[in-house]
This record gives sequence, structure tokens and C-alpha cells, in this order.
Amino acid sequence: GESVGLHLPTLSVQEGDNSIINCAYSNSASDYFIWYKQESGKGPQFIIDIRSNMDKRQGQRVTVLLNKTVKHLSLQIAATQPGDSAVYFCAESLNRDDKIIFGKGTRLHILP
Amino acid sequence: EAQVTQNPRYLITVTGKKLTVTCSQNMNHEYMSWYRQDPGLGLRQIYYSMNVEVTDKGDVPEGYKVSRKEKRNFPLILESPSPNQTSLYFCASSSQKFYGYTFGSGTRLTVV
Repeated sequence: GESVGLHLPTLSVQEGDNSIINCAYSNSASDYFIWYKQESGKGPQFIIDIRSNMDKRQGQRVTVLLNKTVKHLSLQIAATQPGDSAVYFCAESLNRDDKIIFGKGTRLHILP
Repeated sequence: EAQVTQNPRYLITVTGKKLTVTCSQNMNHEYMSWYRQDPGLGLRQIYYSMNVEVTDKGDVPEGYKVSRKEKRNFPLILESPSPNQTSLYFCASSSQKFYGYTFGSGTRLTVV
């Protein structure tokens, strides 16, 4: 929602184009990664996840790519729609710690 | 409908007046968590629970208490709220550790 951050990184994308949202994670031992979408006034919503033994996973209109070498995660949204406008968070989990650590988020703004 | 329900959605209170934010899930999930979301700081875990009567501290537990007497409920208790606890709070639940959390709609708390 709007309270996520006053100065979030913002990505502006033309409607119909593909969006790529990037995330650098912190712990090389993290073994599970998740992307969440948070629309204004709502709680975060699970989009897609990926385990560390994979480098790519596809969902409906979304693809997550994992590059463990540089600790980088990306979310690709195909044919971006107005309903995709939201803040997107990546999250990482270290299995044995039973915790999920959320990134700060990126705001996706859709241009008409 | 599978969901996590938080109440209240909005709350304004005064310093020192005990309050409880309720959280209930209807998915028979074992894992539940409380997060707070602040501008520039993202989502930070307050407490989590892996089952009935099993709770543990997250990253920012000071000033909060929780209980898990029943599987479906995970209330957040502020015994003596202070202004620095003004925030947006989210409850979340999951069936398998913290993978693929389902979040509630949030409780916006203001402590004056």
C-alpha cells in the first residue's frame, strides 16, 4: 500500500510492455525465494516462488529468475496491465532459521 | 473463502492503554506471523508461531506479546502502547513453515 515507503524505487512501464523488477538478496545461504504483490490498502499477495535448486520458474504471465552467483532475483511480468500496478517485494528464506526476510519493495507504475 | 481476518482495520489509541489486535485464519494453517510495515523499513517480523502454544520472537518483538491457544487465532497484544508502535500491522499464515504466506488486510494503528 501507500504506506510501504515514501521513496521506493519506481519502475514505470507502458501498458502492454513487459516489466522486469529486480531484487538483490542478502544471504548466499538462502534457499527459498518469493515474490509478493501489494496493492494500495491491501496486504501482500503471494505471486510466485522459487527454490535455490532452480534458476527459472514460470507462472501465469510471470516468470521468476534466480542467479545465485550474484545473489539476484528478478520478476518478469508479460504484457503489463493496469491491474499490475502495485508494490512488489522479493523475500528470501533460510530454511533452518524459519524466517522470511522481505526486501524494501519496488513500485510498478503503469503508463497508459 | 480462504482468508486471514484481522480486526480492527483502523485503531487510534493513547499511550499506555492496552490493546489487542485479533487475527484469525480459516485454512487450518500451522504457521502464523505478525509483521509491521513502516515507510523505508519494509515488512519486519514481530512474532511467529509454528503451532498451538509454540511462539517465538521475530526481529522486532519489543513491546509486543502474542498467544496461540487455538490453531486459528493469533492475537497481537500491546500491553502499553507507545507512539513508536504507530504502524501498519499484518498477520499472515501458511501451511508449510513460512512458504507462500497468506496475509490479512492489515491494521493501521496510531498511538498518540
